[in-house]
Amino acid sequence: DIQMTQSPSSLSASVGDRVTITCQASQDINDYLNWYQQKPGKAPKLLIHDASNLETGVPSRFSGSGSGTHFSFTISSLQPEDIATYYCQHYDYLLRGVTFGGGTRLDIK
Amino acid sequence: EVQLLESGGGLAQPGESLRLSCAASGFIFSSHAMSWVRQAPGKGLQWVSGISGSGGSRYYTDSVRGRFTISRDDSENTMYLQMKDLRAEDTAVYYCARGRDNWKVGVFDIWGQGTMVTVSS
Repeated sequence: DIQMTQSPSSLSASVGDRVTITCQASQDINDYLNWYQQKPGKAPKLLIHDASNLETGVPSRFSGSGSGTHFSFTISSLQPEDIATYYCQHYDYLLRGVTFGGGTRLDIK
Repeated sequence: EVQLLESGGGLAQPGESLRLSCAASGFIFSSHAMSWVRQAPGKGLQWVSGISGSGGSRYYTDSVRGRFTISRDDSENTMYLQMKDLRAEDTAVYYCARGRDNWKVGVFDIWGQGTMVTVSS
């Protein structure tokens, strides 16, 4: 099974800061990598799909990059409403397996 | 409005069964693969099971294979998760999620609000 290692597990930053989260796959996953935002008590929300594609309606301060085994997610200028937990997620194109990273809890400093 | 609404959660004793439902609206349900994703209290997300748009292919995470059964009724726009032999470690909020399309089955673009399952004696 493919393992997804996400880091850091928690992060504290100031409004306006550039924030980066990384996700490493245990083997080459091409670009089958998505990023979700989850606020407390709410369902996850898709932000980035297939490594670098911004979901419609998601602010452009969010971005993703990477391919193969190393991926990153960036918030270019942190806003107060971005406080949430962020998850990377790999999927098999036939849905034979889906793996989430452990999550990154993002707080305002 | 595109929407998913889960129901059927509740309290069960170890070894008992529950059936979750996910009612879809606002889109052509039969055209989309669907999945169940769960989140134990204070923990991260875990994919549980998925079913293709045709219903012909079903997949499970190892810890539930043989105990949980995913199904769908496209005439009712509803997906189900039959859970048997429940264990304490199955305690979680269960979300249903839509796969974007037939090529991006694991891109979960729409989520329900979740239903809580508690397994305890």
